[in-house]
Amino acid sequence: EGQLVESGGGLIQPGGSLRLSCAASGFTFSDHYMDWVRQAPGKGLEWVGRSRNKANTYTADYAASVKGRFTISRDDSKNFLYLQMNSLKIEDTAVYYCARGFWSGYHTFYYSMDVWGKGTTVTVSS
Amino acid sequence: DIQMTQSPSSLSASVGDRVTISCRASQTITKYLNWYQQKPGTAPRLLIYSVSSLQSGVPSRFSGSGSGTDFTLTISSLQPEDFATYYCQQTYLIPITFGQGTRLEIK
Repeated sequence: EGQLVESGGGLIQPGGSLRLSCAASGFTFSDHYMDWVRQAPGKGLEWVGRSRNKANTYTADYAASVKGRFTISRDDSKNFLYLQMNSLKIEDTAVYYCARGFWSGYHTFYYSMDVWGKGTTVTVSS
Repeated sequence: DIQMTQSPSSLSASVGDRVTISCRASQTITKYLNWYQQKPGTAPRLLIYSVSSLQSGVPSRFSGSGSGTDFTLTISSLQPEDFATYYCQQTYLIPITFGQGTRLEIK
C-alpha cells in the first residue's frame, strides 16, 4: 500500500531556509513521481511541485509561487524525497504534505496522488 | 494556469441525503480530474481518479462523472463519516491545481 512520513518542519524567520524530508516505505519508491502539496492555515490545497522518476530523469516542476526558491530532490537509494526551501516568506507558512504519484489508464495515462503523508508544519514568522 | 471552481463552497445535509458537488475547469482537461476528501487535521484522501474511477477501499456510494470542463462528485446516501471537505484537482497541465474546496456539514 505504501507509507509516507514527512519531517523537518518548524519555526523559521523570514528569509531563512529549511529542508523537509519525506520517508517512503512499502512500495518501489524509484518507480514513482512524487509531489509536494501545502495547505496554509484554514485554506485549501496548493500544489508546490513534483519530482519525476529516474526513467524521466528526475526532472522537477514547480508552482510559480515557489519557483527559484524551492528545490525538490530525491534519494532513491534511501527512499527519501526532499524539499529545500530558501528565502522563506510569511506566506509559505503551511502544512506540507508529500504525496505519491499514481498513473492510471491504458492507452492514455491519467495522474493522481494516491498515498499521502500526514504532513509537517512550517511556520515562517519573526 | 487552469482554474478549478467548485460549487457550492459549503453545503449542509443530513445523513441519508444524496449530495452533489460540482467542479468546473477554466479549459478542457479531458479526464485528468480527481476528487479528494479531507477531514480536519488529517491528510487528503484520494476518492475518485480519472473522473469516475473509484479508488480502492472507497465506498461505492461515492461516484464521479463529467467530461471536458464540467465534473460532478455524488454521494448517494450520506453517512456520518462523510462530513468533510472535498477538493477537485486537475492534472492535465502543470501547475496542478485544486478547487477551493466544498465543506460538507451536518444539517
